Amino acid sequence: DAGVIQSPRHEVTEMGQEVTLRCKPISGHDYLFWYRQTMMRGLELLIYFNNNVPIDDSGMPEDRFSAKMPNASFSTLKIQPSEPRDSAVYFCASYANTGELFFGEGSRLTVL
Amino acid sequence: SQKIEQNSEALNIQEGKTATLTCNYTNYSPAYLQWYRQDPGRGPVFLLLIRENEKEKRKERLKVTFDTTLKQSLFHITASQPADSATYLCALERRDDKIIFGKGTRLHILP
Repeated sequence: DAGVIQSPRHEVTEMGQEVTLRCKPISGHDYLFWYRQTMMRGLELLIYFNNNVPIDDSGMPEDRFSAKMPNASFSTLKIQPSEPRDSAVYFCASYANTGELFFGEGSRLTVL
Repeated sequence: SQKIEQNSEALNIQEGKTATLTCNYTNYSPAYLQWYRQDPGRGPVFLLLIRENEKEKRKERLKVTFDTTLKQSLFHITASQPADSATYLCALERRDDKIIFGKGTRLHILP
């Protein structure tokens, strides 16, 4: 298996634009997590899914953020409209209830 | 609110010595505690997991302890090497599988 795949690896956009980050989890993993990492706040949990259903989205900062998991092999995190304070590295991770999270390489977002 | 604190932002240890990292938590009841390693520009990588009813877990040069009374975990790297230099993250997992992380400790092993 290729591991968790995220795209794009880098995104530079202007304030107000829509940003869509994508994630393909490891096949057979029934949990998917989205995290955001900054120097100031560390690795923050945004939302997680079990069997494609959102379980806890209390970490989503505001209504500008939304996440979907239409099927077991794909998830998106959307920011609309984006703001400079959204600049961070966004990680997707999948999990098979064995206690080990497998992370992707992250999507580095810069909002100008 | 739930809080995870890792003892320091950065730690310098001489090669060959034991590095000890601390993770403290409040307002949380984890079923498991995990440790991850993160290298610059990469995603975190799982190292070890310890359950709430376990006191200690070992894997090669790594040792983790978990004290649910003190709400603390210690992570040890024995015979440290420059290649062990990285950021180490503590993570708590609840019974509903929600997993949250501390901010990490940057470990530098000095040759």
